[in-house]
Amino acid sequence: QKEVEQNSGPLSVPEGAIASLNCTYSDRGSQSFFWYRQYSGKSPELIMFIYSNGDKEDGRFTAQLNKASQYVSLLIRDSQPSDSATYLCAVNIYGNNRLAFGKGNQVVVIP
Amino acid sequence: DTEVTQTPKHLVMGMTNKKSLKCEQHMGHRAMYWYKQKAKKPPELMFVYSYEKLSINESVPSRFSPECPNSSLLNLHLHALQPEDSALYLCASSQDRVVEGYTFGSGTRLTVV
Repeated sequence: QKEVEQNSGPLSVPEGAIASLNCTYSDRGSQSFFWYRQYSGKSPELIMFIYSNGDKEDGRFTAQLNKASQYVSLLIRDSQPSDSATYLCAVNIYGNNRLAFGKGNQVVVIP
Repeated sequence: DTEVTQTPKHLVMGMTNKKSLKCEQHMGHRAMYWYKQKAKKPPELMFVYSYEKLSINESVPSRFSPECPNSSLLNLHLHALQPEDSALYLCASSQDRVVEGYTFGSGTRLTVV
């Protein structure tokens, strides 16, 4: 079983719509959960992190965490063309000084 | 200072060359990482240094040799690379136990010819 799974294919959303991304993880000891945005040819940039069950909002981004079901999600409201990127879900591995990354989901916002 | 600085940004090297990638952070982070990323793939962990000691080596070939001279610097020495080693090499740093995630550098785009 992979440590972090992001199974959705490329996501195309109209400008102004909501983009929804999901991620599941296998390590029940994980405590910290992250969403990184990566533009083509650039390095990943941290956009959200969440530690507690529930929702965390930052501007147009909302991260949701459900530890019982072991999933994390990211909502992007009022999607803009500048949101077109690959979004990487990452989870800290308990007892191991590193993050595990999902394979990423590409988001394309259509003007 | 909230940056991780990587040099060079681009590097082209022959298979017989020796080169080094450099990474510097001044955020007081005590863990530093090297990742390799191929196109359309997630970052792949290579090495982790914690308090200047190598704590994780993900079975990386010996043609890649990491070095952590002090808590702010991380090097990756390259020797006798193969064309398949061409990739984006990312350095990252974090507080111990990665509670607040990584800060990535801008990466070095490496091409082996």
